Order: sequence, then C-alpha cells, then structure tokens
Amino acid sequence: QSVLTQPPSASGTPGQRVTISCSGSSSNIGSNYLDWYQRLPGTAPKLLIYRSNQRPSGVPDRFSGSKSGTSASLAISGLRSEDEADYYCATWDDSLSGPVFGGGTKLTVL
Amino acid sequence: EVQLVESGGGLILPGRSLRLSCAASGFTFDDYAMVWVRQVPGKGLEWVAGIGWNSGIIGYSDSVKGRFTISRDNANNSLYLQMSGLRTEDTAIYYCAKADEYTFGRGNVFDVWGQGTMVTVSS
Repeated sequence: QSVLTQPPSASGTPGQRVTISCSGSSSNIGSNYLDWYQRLPGTAPKLLIYRSNQRPSGVPDRFSGSKSGTSASLAISGLRSEDEADYYCATWDDSLSGPVFGGGTKLTVL
Repeated sequence: EVQLVESGGGLILPGRSLRLSCAASGFTFDDYAMVWVRQVPGKGLEWVAGIGWNSGIIGYSDSVKGRFTISRDNANNSLYLQMSGLRTEDTAIYYCAKADEYTFGRGNVFDVWGQGTMVTVSS
C-alpha cells in the first residue's frame, strides 16, 4: 500500500485535458514540495514536474502541476498518444524520514 | 551524456546476499546525493535507501533497514546496494537515481534515473 494515493488509471482522447490526482497527509504533501515522474513503457522513470509546479527543460508546457493542502494534481492538456505512460507522484515524508511515492496512474490515450 | 547504469541483478535464493552496482557518468558524481528505488512489477515505486555526497547522511526504508547497506565510491563514480537476508518480497526492479543536490533529505528531486536491474528472490 503506497503512502500517497493515486487513481490506478485515467484515460482521454487526443487533444483532451486530463488530470491525475495525488493525495497524502500533513507529514508529506502537506509540508513538502511534490514531484511527478513519467514512466513510458519499457523505460526508466523521468522527472516531469518538480517542486509542485516546475518543469525541467525539455518538458512541454502541456504538463502542469499544482498542490493544495494535502493533495496535488498533474494536468496534461492537448493529450497526445505519446503521453500514454505511468505517472507517479512523490514527495518527502517527515514522519518516515524518506521519500514516498504514489502507486502510479496508468494513462491510456483512447 | 548524463547516465546511470545498474548491474548485479539476477535470480537469488531467499536468505542469500546480492550486491547491486550503479555506474555514473556525465556529471560530477560526488556533488550529488543518490538513492535506490525499487518497483515490484505491476506495483508502484518504493524508495529503498539514500546517501549523501560524502556518505555522511544515509537513510533506509523500514522494509530494508538492517538488511540492506547503501554505499558509494566517489573515486570510481559508483553507487552500491548490498542486500542480505533477501526475501521473496524483495523481488523487484531496482533503480538508482541521482538527486539534484548534495545532501540526502527533504526536498530531494530525482532528476536522472538508470534503466534498472531486476532482482528475483525465489527458491
């Protein structure tokens, strides 16, 4: 059971906007920045969003993140077939003294 | 090119030991903290262990504390995970990842990941 809770799946059609949620508690999301990682099929995880809403260079601005209280969300606009991947949220947990991850959300582009 | 390459995985009997390695290239290895993260096939990511730039700060998840040891050799740009007392539930893909700062701790962002090495613990 993952410390951070994500829906196991999400889907959308090309061009649509989809959001993926991530919920936690006061010891993790509530008091720390949140990051998002994308794992394309057969590849290593890749940093997608860091410090809740920052994009590394090379990540399209179609991807955006937000955080409020003990929850966060990843939004993908103008959905494309190449966005089909697993998405994980992550943050630090002050109680566990280590990073924690969500269980992952498998995004399907219909 | 910034790169992390894991090795050392394989099939191992329960109770035995195994050492994973992670070779780093393309960046100044001893400027950054490093972590091991694992993923049971079909499940989410799980942090295993983390180490600061000079090995001064080290942390382990409760699930591996006392059984796994993380270490690094800055002279050889390498990260290690010594795993002992392996259990079937340790079966996973093990990834090494680079943090974006020198100390392991709150606020770490993992900006480079290796491809992973599979560890299967089974009799």
